[in-house]
Amino acid sequence: QKEVEQDPGPLSVPEGAIVSLNCTYSNSAFQYFMWYRQYSRKGPELLMYTYSSGNKEDGRFTAQVDKSSKYISLFIRDSQPSDSATYLCAMMNSGGYQKVTFGIGTKLQVIP
Amino acid sequence: SAVISQKPSRDICQRGTSLTIQCQVDSQVTMMFWYRQQPGQSLTLIATANQGSEATYESGFVIDKFPISRPNLTFSTLTVSNMSPEDSSIYLCSVLRSEETQYFGPGTRLLVL
Repeated sequence: QKEVEQDPGPLSVPEGAIVSLNCTYSNSAFQYFMWYRQYSRKGPELLMYTYSSGNKEDGRFTAQVDKSSKYISLFIRDSQPSDSATYLCAMMNSGGYQKVTFGIGTKLQVIP
Repeated sequence: SAVISQKPSRDICQRGTSLTIQCQVDSQVTMMFWYRQQPGQSLTLIATANQGSEATYESGFVIDKFPISRPNLTFSTLTVSNMSPEDSSIYLCSVLRSEETQYFGPGTRLLVL
């Protein structure tokens, strides 16, 4: 079993839809949870990070962490064609820098 | 944030040859990382490169195959040696800005024939 599971998609939604992207994990020691966005032929860019459980909102993006279920989500409201990209979840232990474990990435396409 | 550049952006190489990838950062950083991203697989850490010390390699990666240099706090190179088609991949360098914040370069797309 992989430490981090993520559905690779692709996920196609119409413009304006609410998008839900999810990851599950098995390592209960993970404390930092990140979402990266990767456009085609580009490197990943950090979108959001959350420490421990709870929600974090940034504009149209909301990250949720449920440590009891070992489940994290990224919601995108009012999705735009410019949101079309691959979204990678990533996780890390706490206590100074630790190795980051990435999900496989979900490819999202927002159709105008 | 950090501005990271990589050279070359892409290359096509013959098996048995070697390619050196350069990573340049716009400011001094202590920790730099090299990743591999293959189709259908998650980002995989190859090694951590700290200035002034030997690179630390992850399980499955060895120095003879992926030698790394880190001559100063803004630059690093990764060499892919004696290449085979299985080495075809995207190679990414990244830097650490804080405990939870990594920034990635644009990647080097390598095709080995």
